[in-house]
Amino acid sequence: AQRVTQPEKLLSVFKGAPVELKCNYSYSGSPELFWYVQYSRQRLQLLLRHISRESIKGFTADLNKGETSFHLKKPFAQEEDSAMYYCALSAYTGRRALTFGSGTRLQVQP
Amino acid sequence: DVKVTQSSRYLVKRTGEKVFLECVQDMDHENMFWYRQDPGLGLRLIYFSYDVKMKEKGDIPEGYSVSREKKERFSLILESASTNQTSMYLCASSYSGPSYNEQFFGPGTRLTVL
Repeated sequence: AQRVTQPEKLLSVFKGAPVELKCNYSYSGSPELFWYVQYSRQRLQLLLRHISRESIKGFTADLNKGETSFHLKKPFAQEEDSAMYYCALSAYTGRRALTFGSGTRLQVQP
Repeated sequence: DVKVTQSSRYLVKRTGEKVFLECVQDMDHENMFWYRQDPGLGLRLIYFSYDVKMKEKGDIPEGYSVSREKKERFSLILESASTNQTSMYLCASSYSGPSYNEQFFGPGTRLTVL
């Protein structure tokens, strides 16, 4: 069975500081990894996925299969980045549902 | 623009009541999902459906059932609500295909069971 771990419940940084939201996973096969974000009073939405290798809103995430990690990074945090972030995994076989981590709340202070 | 709507934003029910949560999507998605979202636990899958009348249990199906009579609609049923089912319930939908397709979420229903 797959599992996603986000060790930090809360991450508080000042505006302009670098941000790294940690995500580790366990899965015996080759997974697809995602970051979802939920801003205050908005619905959960996809931020980025590892296969696209994009930078979205200045965020990047690299899949490290050796360390089974998919950490989310941004070099300079903005106040509008304050939100709840969830790391999620999808297995290529079996069901198409996502396995989510417990989430990390990012607070960017002015 | 994909739209996933849920019938209620807030719901208050009493212990033992039968509760229906409705979800509708307008993008002809094959897959639909019900999650519950709890602080410190993230999102946990209750049930999902990959076609009309088809359903599969997720990680926490106990105390819940689902119905999918039409492609666009996926209902979550709490047969006899209990206080430990107080939570935020999220519906999602996605296309089916050989690789993962993005899941689109509804706004959520916050259910309180007294």
